[in-house]
Amino acid sequence: DAGVIQSPRHEVTEMGQEVTLRCKPISGHNSLFWYRQTMMRGLELLIYFNNNVPIDDSGMPEDRFSAKMPNASFSTLKIQPSEPRDSAVYFCASSWGQGEGDEQYFGPGTRLTVT
Amino acid sequence: QKEVEQNSGPLSVPEGAIASLNCTYSDRGSQSFFWYRQYSGKSPELIMFIYSNGDKEDGRFTAQLNKASQYVSLLIRDSQPSDSATYLCAVYGMDSSYKLIFGSGTRLLVRP
Repeated sequence: DAGVIQSPRHEVTEMGQEVTLRCKPISGHNSLFWYRQTMMRGLELLIYFNNNVPIDDSGMPEDRFSAKMPNASFSTLKIQPSEPRDSAVYFCASSWGQGEGDEQYFGPGTRLTVT
Repeated sequence: QKEVEQNSGPLSVPEGAIASLNCTYSDRGSQSFFWYRQYSGKSPELIMFIYSNGDKEDGRFTAQLNKASQYVSLLIRDSQPSDSATYLCAVYGMDSSYKLIFGSGTRLLVRP
């Protein structure tokens, strides 16, 4: 069975450009999570969805960041406009969505570089 | 105080030794605890989870939980160079049942 799928794996863009990251969760999983990882701040939760509904977006750094989950098998994280400080690895993870006790499974990540 | 704390390391052990990785957490109501392994340039990979006080063994890995002391550890027996990675401790917060809180990770180096 396929794991969490993310695209693109690498993205290099110039400051001010729009960036869209994509994620397909594991089939049957009801919760989806977007994380950002940097050396300085470690692994940070940006937003998570349960049954396609955003539950907590308190980790989204600012209005330049937005996320959607139009259906159970697809989510996007968009940064507009992008800035050099957004450079990081962005991970998507999914779980069964039963709440506490759920195991989260991570995708391979998207390494974003904003120049 | 950080919610989940780990020593950043590196923890260096010789091949064949037992590696002991430790994690403390601040939310006394936390019920579920996870260990992830992350190789450099890769995504976190779930290796162990534990819900009850005591020990849980899976192959060379043993997770230990002491809720009274708010302490969870991971033991790796017969450490191999391939175990060299960063190990992330993660805990569900009591007030947010879907939100997994990660520690900053401990880097383990197993010397051949």
